[in-house]
Amino acid sequence: NAGVTQTPKFQVLKTGQSMTLQCAQDMNHNSMYWYRQDPGMGLRLIYYSASEGTTDKGEVPNGYNVSRLNKREFSLRLESAAPSQTSVYFCASSLTGRDGNTIYFGEGSWLTVV
Amino acid sequence: EDQVTQSPEALRLQEGESSSLNCSYTVSGLRGLFWYRQDPGKGPEFLFTLYSAGEEKEKERLKATLTKKESFLHITAPKPEDSATYLCAVQARGYQKVTFGIGTKLQVIP
Repeated sequence: NAGVTQTPKFQVLKTGQSMTLQCAQDMNHNSMYWYRQDPGMGLRLIYYSASEGTTDKGEVPNGYNVSRLNKREFSLRLESAAPSQTSVYFCASSLTGRDGNTIYFGEGSWLTVV
Repeated sequence: EDQVTQSPEALRLQEGESSSLNCSYTVSGLRGLFWYRQDPGKGPEFLFTLYSAGEEKEKERLKATLTKKESFLHITAPKPEDSATYLCAVQARGYQKVTFGIGTKLQVIP
């Protein structure tokens, strides 16, 4: 059982370049998320998708776009990368229920913008 | 706004030396409090979900407890393989968003 799979694991971009981070989950979860993690800042939510066909902004959405392609896949796009977007990005998913939703994370994508 | 504060930021223990990590939180109606373990270069790994004050959950050497204002992660007789960063997070009722603390970096020395 793969869980949450994200690609690529490492990427170096030049300022102004664009790229898409791909994410897929095989747990039949309805909700998917993109977080970034920076030293001293903790995990911060970029965007989330509560269900197929819907997306919503999180704490730090500026400079990013997302697409919920289907129930399994949720991609994150950087249209014009900036050095401030150097970070570790985590995709995650959860099955939202009455008692709260436990989030399961992928292994991370390390992005450096030079 | 929901807030999560974890202490200490870093903790160094001798193997077998039990201790506790603290997670203080403010949330407008708790839906769930989560504990995760994160190893260097890896994604957070789910440990526990707690839903209401007084609840306790255990897994191997770890025990998580919850009050109305804080949660503790007790580590009994830790081993070097317990070394990791432990993250606490909360979710408010009626909201999708989960707010994370910065974490406690635990090092267990043989």
